[in-house]
Amino acid sequence: DQQVKQNSPSLSVQEGRISILNCDYTNSMFDYFLWYKKYPAEGPTFLISISSIKDKNEDGRFTVFLNKSAKHLSLHIVPSQPGDSAVYFCAAQTDSWGKLQFGAGTQVVVTP
Amino acid sequence: DSGVTQTPKHLITATGQRVTLRCSPRSGDLSVYWYQQSLDQGLQFLIHYYNGEERAKGNILERFSAQQFPDLHSELNLSSLELGDSALYFCASSPTGRLEAFFGQGTRLTVV
Repeated sequence: DQQVKQNSPSLSVQEGRISILNCDYTNSMFDYFLWYKKYPAEGPTFLISISSIKDKNEDGRFTVFLNKSAKHLSLHIVPSQPGDSAVYFCAAQTDSWGKLQFGAGTQVVVTP
Repeated sequence: DSGVTQTPKHLITATGQRVTLRCSPRSGDLSVYWYQQSLDQGLQFLIHYYNGEERAKGNILERFSAQQFPDLHSELNLSSLELGDSALYFCASSPTGRLEAFFGQGTRLTVV
């Protein structure tokens, strides 16, 4: 049962433009959401997170938006840079001992 | 460098064998998680330990077991290996059982 879904397996964007990655979830008990970035042959790296009590969190070029009623979150990267080319995973937690449940990932390619 | 160390980086073994994967968490982190990433799959949660105690189990096969030692390092034991067990195995750690976890570089297991 896939409770966290990233329906776009890939995204291509021009350097300098905005990248928008989407994530949907089905479990209304999720209360903490995270985005990870993964390069080949490396472990996932934490990017940004958001608690369910907020609807937006910003960190530099990265902004995460949460729409609880729609059970949807998105990650905006502005401006996109070639170094942003990686796989991005959305993840969610339910409680204090909550395992991270990951989406399948979106491969982002930033072209010059 | 996340501060999480996994050894070995690569492992090739035959079907039916048993292997042990090792993880040293970041200094001070009490939680250790194990995840499996098979080809073209997302990250699947296996098990979570907090300060030596098992806290949550995911879709971990009975042939797999794990433990966390008093010095907080953890080992994942995989036995009676099958071809389908070939995957990347990631360890992650966090200070508590919550919020962002920091991932190691993974162990690539190939069963032949």
